[in-house]
Amino acid sequence: DTEVTQTPKHLVMGMTNKKSLKCEQHMGHRAMYWYKQKAKKPPELMFVYSYEKLSINESVPSRFSPECPNSSLLNLHLHALQPEDSALYLCASSPRKRSYNEQFFGPGTRLTVL
Amino acid sequence: AQSVAQPEDQVNVAEGNPLTVKCTYSVSGNPYLFWYVQYPNRGLQFLLKYITGDNLVKGSYGFEAEFNKSQTSFHLKKPSALVSDSALYFCAVRDPPGAGSYQLTFGKGTKLSVIP
Repeated sequence: DTEVTQTPKHLVMGMTNKKSLKCEQHMGHRAMYWYKQKAKKPPELMFVYSYEKLSINESVPSRFSPECPNSSLLNLHLHALQPEDSALYLCASSPRKRSYNEQFFGPGTRLTVL
Repeated sequence: AQSVAQPEDQVNVAEGNPLTVKCTYSVSGNPYLFWYVQYPNRGLQFLLKYITGDNLVKGSYGFEAEFNKSQTSFHLKKPSALVSDSALYFCAVRDPPGAGSYQLTFGKGTKLSVIP
């Protein structure tokens, strides 16, 4: 299995809702990432997990809360989002955080905040 | 801080013609360079990377890239473009281990349109 899966593919939520994005990989990778991508822009790094521990938080607002329950699973919990948070949220994984290996990206979750 | 620049927002090329998507980088020390492609409403797909060794790197789908240290460039090339190559292309750089940051820094992207 050489892919990263993300669910749901699309998500529409109100500003008072609580929702979660899920990411899964079974490649034995020990580094996992969340990126946010606005239309026609490059991905922006949000969080990095290394060996299930939060390694990097790129000054992301607290309304985004990541969680790494095990080495294969990465969640992003969403609460009280703003319309400007609407974007494509990409998950990625790589063998190690410090590795020169490429990152494998999932297809993304298209989030719309009303 | 490391950075990459993609000077062209859009590149148009006729099907069957060679294509080039440009990328220049700025990084302390030896860079790790990557090319990714993104089709509409999809995630990023890895094409190729330069870590060390031969300056000409071959990757997926017939793409290749040439690392030029003196010009700090890593241009993506393909001898004969296909309509299906039309997509958004990102160049990215990552500092080598020990250099400080292990993040992947992307260029702004270049939209490639291959015209039938």
